[in-house]
Amino acid sequence: GAGVSQSPRYKVAKRGQDVALRCDPISGHVSLFWYQQALGQGPEFLTYFQNEAQLDKSGLPSDRFFAERPEGSVSTLKIQRTQQEDSAVYLCASSKNRDRGLYNEQFFGPGTRLTVL
Amino acid sequence: GDSVTQMEGPVTLSEEAFLTINCTYTATGYPSLFWYVQYPGEGLQLLLKATKADDKGSNKGFEATYRKETTSFHLEKGSVQVSDSAVYFCALESNNNDMRFGAGTRLTVKP
Repeated sequence: GAGVSQSPRYKVAKRGQDVALRCDPISGHVSLFWYQQALGQGPEFLTYFQNEAQLDKSGLPSDRFFAERPEGSVSTLKIQRTQQEDSAVYLCASSKNRDRGLYNEQFFGPGTRLTVL
Repeated sequence: GDSVTQMEGPVTLSEEAFLTINCTYTATGYPSLFWYVQYPGEGLQLLLKATKADDKGSNKGFEATYRKETTSFHLEKGSVQVSDSAVYFCALESNNNDMRFGAGTRLTVKP
């Protein structure tokens, strides 16, 4: 497809379960971003990859959150021992170039809605 | 830290009405400013952007002007359509390239 895709679109987990969320960026895009969007809020930055290198993970809320992009394309966001406060929409975005600069538009996927019971 | 505050919604307008969604920001340095739109069931899409003071971003009839003196980037459209119904997010990219989003404003346009 032409855009960023994410799967699953919806995930319900019991508290304490581990979850894995997948992002397929636009082919050839170098940069990949993960955001967390709580209900009624704007997206908040979690982490950033340039190819396979995770250059910034300052937004990850705890050590239960882990992201990888081993081959510089598909990325997985893993949340261990999920808690109710992890319930949110997780957005993935990709951009063409290396720089996180002004002229490097981010293209967003539709998101994965995670509900932790 | 840098932040964005935008007008709370929801906003409901009749077709062909004038739209303003207010956005103000707090930032050190000289951020770039953006409006993103999220249509039902779709991902965020860049609507328009401005990279320096007095720049005007425009797209699909929407406009926003980067006002440094009032630290604002209000979104306007002269005549809204039903198809403009969506959630609109104001955002800034600070000098260290962090993106900060507002909470979003839901717009509903009725025929």
